[in-house]
Amino acid sequence: GDSVIQMQGQVTLSENDFLFINCTYSTTGYPTLFWYVQYSGEGPQLLLQVTTANNKGSSRGFEATYDKGTTSFHLQKTSVQEIDSAVYYCAMREGTGYQNFYFGKGTSLTVIP
Amino acid sequence: GALVYQYPRRTICKSGTSMRMECQAVGFQATSVAWYRQSPQKTFELIALSTVNSAIKYEQNFTQEKFPISHPNLSFSSMTVLNAYLEDRGLYLCGARDHTRQNTLYFGAGTRLSVL
Repeated sequence: GDSVIQMQGQVTLSENDFLFINCTYSTTGYPTLFWYVQYSGEGPQLLLQVTTANNKGSSRGFEATYDKGTTSFHLQKTSVQEIDSAVYYCAMREGTGYQNFYFGKGTSLTVIP
Repeated sequence: GALVYQYPRRTICKSGTSMRMECQAVGFQATSVAWYRQSPQKTFELIALSTVNSAIKYEQNFTQEKFPISHPNLSFSSMTVLNAYLEDRGLYLCGARDHTRQNTLYFGAGTRLSVL
């Protein structure tokens, strides 16, 4: 069935380190892929989304490429800052209608100053 | 921009009582609203999806009898947790979908429910 897999539950980095959060998805259709970020005490915020395969989305220094070949949508950032500490959720929506969103289990990022 | 407001932000209720939470979409028309619960142990649990002009669709383990939802217009939705018990604790998130923005889901800050 449809699913989103994030293998990393927690990631701890120092400021200016390179960030890589793994995300793979499973579906038979043509999904739109998302990354949401949830800061402590807040609801999830949309970070970026990509609708078309092989395209890249970027926002606030974060980027992710929709790779249909490997069914992946990994999140990267060249140089993380303390303010990036949050939980990052990879998500998928198949199609353009009112289908459900599927979320990964989230990756908690802690950036040490 | 698209904003979603939820209130109350936090609430405490006694075991066996009920509480109602509200969700307001501002700046866009929420053609569908998804209610999720986020507990410390799990990621997002979809409770139900409410779409304008369609019946509310509840996910397995969630029922209308326990979580009645009202979605009277394109900017407002409410959900009640009836007879709340400890297992109902968590952060209840409202995700409103904007059909003009590729059906992107915008979340409110959530209503955190504690049950005594």
